[in-house]
Amino acid sequence: GNSVTQMEGPVTLSEEAFLTINCTYTATGYPSLFWYVQYPGEGLQLLLKATKADDKGSNKGFEATYRKETTSFHLEKGSVQVSDSAVYFCALSETSGTYKYIFGTGTRLKVLA
Amino acid sequence: EAGVAQSPRYKIIEKRQSVAFWCNPISGHATLYWYQQILGQGPKLLIQFQNNGVVDDSQLPKDRFSAERLKGVDSTLKIQPAKLEDSAVYLCASSLERTGETQYFGPGTRLLVL
Repeated sequence: GNSVTQMEGPVTLSEEAFLTINCTYTATGYPSLFWYVQYPGEGLQLLLKATKADDKGSNKGFEATYRKETTSFHLEKGSVQVSDSAVYFCALSETSGTYKYIFGTGTRLKVLA
Repeated sequence: EAGVAQSPRYKIIEKRQSVAFWCNPISGHATLYWYQQILGQGPKLLIQFQNNGVVDDSQLPKDRFSAERLKGVDSTLKIQPAKLEDSAVYLCASSLERTGETQYFGPGTRLLVL
């Protein structure tokens, strides 16, 4: 079945460091791909998405490119801030049936001042 | 535009008790989802509604969990009787349609079963 695999956390970085969180997927067809962020005590918020191969999603300085050849959707940011500390979830939307989301297990990011 | 509303935000119960969670989706959103998020894991879909009809409840433990969306707007998720392993955050989400559209999540209800 479809699945999403994320790098395990926690990831601890200093402010202004470069961030990469790896995400790979297994799916039939061409799913839409998403990154959601969850701040402490809050629900999930959409960070960015891409709907087809080679699309780049971007928001708030974060970017991710839909790579069909490597089935990946890695999240990157050039310079992290303390306020980026949160849990990041990669997800795919299935391409048939109910189009439900499949989430990864999440990666906790901690940014130190 | 108001977001997805959920209540209560926190609930503590003893095992074998019952509990209910309420969700009001974003106005105009036809599709409503309930997820269970166990600590350290990603959300897992429990049930998906399209208007007031169920389109996927394959991962809902039907012996103890039930959900309804009677008028195609707000929804209630119930657990009866609760088990220790039901301790989790229950997230509600909604989307305009079900064909891969962006889902918008509420703040969740954190349940602790003692």
